[in-house]
Amino acid sequence: GIQVEQSPPDLILQEGANSTLRCNFSDSVNNLQWFHQNPWGQLINLFYIPSGTKQNGRLSATTVATERYSLLYISSSQTTDSGVYFCAVNTGGFKTIFGAGTRLFVKA
Amino acid sequence: NAGVTQTPKFQVLKTGQSMTLQCAQDMNHEYMSWYRQDPGMGLRLIHYSVGAGITDQGEVPNGYNVSRSTTEDFPLRLLSAAPSQTSVYFCASRAGGGGELFFGEGSRLTVL
Repeated sequence: GIQVEQSPPDLILQEGANSTLRCNFSDSVNNLQWFHQNPWGQLINLFYIPSGTKQNGRLSATTVATERYSLLYISSSQTTDSGVYFCAVNTGGFKTIFGAGTRLFVKA
Repeated sequence: NAGVTQTPKFQVLKTGQSMTLQCAQDMNHEYMSWYRQDPGMGLRLIHYSVGAGITDQGEVPNGYNVSRSTTEDFPLRLLSAAPSQTSVYFCASRAGGGGELFFGEGSRLTVL
C-alpha cells in the first residue's frame, strides 16, 4: 500500500519563527489533507489540497502531486500552533492513510 | 450543525467485557470510518463503510466489528476487550467519491 512519510518528526520553535513541514507519499493520490491535532486531542482540518497552493492566515500549503510531496508552511508561529500536524492521503479507493505526524512545540 | 458525534468520550473496561462506541454524522455523508490512535503515533484505519449495508476492513480490523444500517450511524463493537485495545478511537466521515474528511472528537478507551 501507499507509504506516507512526514518530516521532521519533532520540531521546536521560538514564538515568531517560521517553519516548513513536509509530507512525502509513495504513489499517486486523489486527495491530500493536513490536520492539526491540538494538545486536547482534537483533529482540526487545515487544508484539503490534492494539488496546488492554498493559504489560510499564517498557514499555507502546497502539493506537487507529480513529485509526490506536500509542504505545510507556518509563519510567525504562536504557542497555540503547538501540537501534532498530520498529513493524510487517499489514492482513489476508500482508505485514507495517515503519516506518523510532526510534533511541534512553540516556546513563548 | 453537529458534524460527527462520538459517544462515550471516556470508557474504562475490564478484559473480556464488550462495548459499543457510537458514531453519528448529520452531513449525509456516504463514507464513514473508524481509526485508532495509540500514544505518540498516527491514526490507523480499523474499518470503513461506503454506504448503508456496506463495510470493509482497514489496516487493523482484528477484535472489532462494525455494521452500517443507516447513513447516519456507524457503531464500532468490541466483543471481548483486551488491554491491547486501550487507545483513542476516532470516527470520521466524508462525502462519497472523495472530498474532505471530518473527524469526531474521539473516544478514549482504557482496558484493564
